[in-house]
Amino acid sequence: SQQGEEDPQALSIQEGENATMNCSYKTSINNLQWYRQNSGRGLVHLILIRSNEREKHSGRLRVTLDTSKKSSSLLITASRAADTASYFCLTNAGKSTFGDGTTLTVKP
Amino acid sequence: IAGITQAPTSQILAAGRRMTLRCTQDMRHNAMYWYRQDLGLGLRLIHYSNTAGTTGKGEVPDGYSVSRANTDDFPLTLASAVPSQTSVYFCASSEQGATNTGELFFGEGSRLTVL
Repeated sequence: SQQGEEDPQALSIQEGENATMNCSYKTSINNLQWYRQNSGRGLVHLILIRSNEREKHSGRLRVTLDTSKKSSSLLITASRAADTASYFCLTNAGKSTFGDGTTLTVKP
Repeated sequence: IAGITQAPTSQILAAGRRMTLRCTQDMRHNAMYWYRQDLGLGLRLIHYSNTAGTTGKGEVPDGYSVSRANTDDFPLTLASAVPSQTSVYFCASSEQGATNTGELFFGEGSRLTVL
């Protein structure tokens, strides 16, 4: 069964707004990663946060991890139309397991 | 830099036929993976390999087999395709093994339709 589950399933915002998506998981993890998938393409790695880290930044991306709540969030600030994609979290607890993703639509 | 190369990019196959999806990486990564992605869903792990010569079963291994004769190649075989195996198949690799996964690098996928 899949360990990471993203919510919301879909998110639609205007360009310039911030987008927040969440990932919950069930068991202990070594790290948690976020990936982006543009329509019809392979997944692209965005950011990895280790279990002993609480927050990490990369450009317009901010990831938080709360191991007590077994959850992570991905914040995309000042969104652009090019951010339109599906976003997946990947939990690592032995074998890599993906959630079903959040589909983000950024309207110009 | 090619990264992960998958072939074919798309294939229509009659049920009962045998099919091998090819995957080659040029990054000398230890671990390789095969996932399937059904429409609108996430990726489910089929099989993985921590290093050349070893393979392991993922979440949905039934109906699929893999081999890892060398570091670069990780073919996925459907011995007798069934319509439920219609999906997009992604190959991936990582420098570390499946027990301590770092960043995964993905191919562009192979779209398989079984009629």
